[in-house]
Amino acid sequence: DAGVTQSPTHLIKTRGQQVTLRCSPKSGHDTVSWYQQALGQGPQFIFQYYEEEERQRGNFPDRFSGHQFPNYSSELNVNALLLGDSALYLCASSFGTGGPYEQYFGPGTRLTVT
Amino acid sequence: QKEVEQNSGPLSVPEGAIASLNCTYSDRGSQSFFWYRQYSGKSPELIMSIYSNGDKEDGRFTAQLNKASQYVSLLIRDSQPSDSATYLCAVTPDTGTASKLTFGTGTRLQVTL
Repeated sequence: DAGVTQSPTHLIKTRGQQVTLRCSPKSGHDTVSWYQQALGQGPQFIFQYYEEEERQRGNFPDRFSGHQFPNYSSELNVNALLLGDSALYLCASSFGTGGPYEQYFGPGTRLTVT
Repeated sequence: QKEVEQNSGPLSVPEGAIASLNCTYSDRGSQSFFWYRQYSGKSPELIMSIYSNGDKEDGRFTAQLNKASQYVSLLIRDSQPSDSATYLCAVTPDTGTASKLTFGTGTRLQVTL
């Protein structure tokens, strides 16, 4: 049973650049949520995608955008990178309706902005 | 007031002892509660979920929920050095669908030999 996968594992970008992170959900799951985890903090919710639409969004600026594809995989895009965007970006997958609603995390992408 | 509060620790327990991790939450509408374990440099791993008041046991782990007191805890029996990690408490509202997780900052557990 394939778990949640994310790519790339690590990424180094320069301020002002753009980045795209990718996620494939656990087999059978149709919902993908993205989280940002700064060092020493708990993950912070960015947004969730279900049926190829953004269903919920956290307190993140419009520089953060996403997409979900028909095969349920998802991308997170961040434009105009800031130093403060350096963090571990986590993707979590779950069932969207009908439960159970446990969310399972992928290994994460470590983004460093210099 | 933070939405989900945890003592950051570190909580140090000897091998074989019971580790007790606590979490309080502010939103009375919270209906689903989760404990994740996160090893240093790794992603969170789901270890327990609990939805109803009372205790839920899974192996060496017991989750306890008291919605009236807005309190959820995790007990780890027979603690092992491999249990040394940060434990994250997360809550979600009841929306009938998968909803965003709101996390605490985590409690760092150290199991000593």
